[in-house]
Amino acid sequence: DTEVTQTPKHLVMGMTNKKSLKCEQHMGHRAMYWYKQKAKKPPELMFVYSYEKLSINESVPSRFSPECPNSSLLNLHLHALQPEDSALYLCASSQIRGTEAFFGQGTRLTVV
Amino acid sequence: AQSVTQPDIHITVSEGASLELRCNYSYGATPYLFWYVQSPGQGLQLLLKYFSGDTLVQGIKGFEAEFKRSQSSFNLRKPSVHWSDAAEYFCAVALNTGGFKTIFGAGTRLFVKA
Repeated sequence: DTEVTQTPKHLVMGMTNKKSLKCEQHMGHRAMYWYKQKAKKPPELMFVYSYEKLSINESVPSRFSPECPNSSLLNLHLHALQPEDSALYLCASSQIRGTEAFFGQGTRLTVV
Repeated sequence: AQSVTQPDIHITVSEGASLELRCNYSYGATPYLFWYVQSPGQGLQLLLKYFSGDTLVQGIKGFEAEFKRSQSSFNLRKPSVHWSDAAEYFCAVALNTGGFKTIFGAGTRLFVKA
């Protein structure tokens, strides 16, 4: 199994809603990542988890709250988002000393 | 800091013609190098990667890339483009420091004309 699975594929939420994005992998990878991709832009790193601990936060606003409950699962909790947060959110995973990150298909988020 | 430059925002080629997409990187050592393709509304698909060994790398869908250390380049090539190759192409570098931090270039949009 070389897949990273993200759910949901699409999400529409209001600015006062709380929602969560989910990412799962069963490749035994101990590093997991969240990226944000705006339209016509490259993906930008948001968070890195290594051994279920947050190791990199790229100055992401606190309305985005990541969580890594176990080595296979990565969540991104969303609260009080703004319309400009609408984007494709990509999850990825890798071995800690790996040579490649595996990306999921993304969640298309629209904030209304 | 490491960075990736894709000098061409978009390129148009005729179907059946050859293709070369340019990528330059700035890094203190030889990084891990990648090319990804992304169709509209889709996730990223890895075309090929390089981290050591033979500097000419073969990938999927008939793509290849050549690493040139002296030029800090990792250009993507395909001898004959198909209409289905129209997509966004991202060059990326990665640093492995207890996690794999991938940095993407701005991307090159490929248009294929009949």
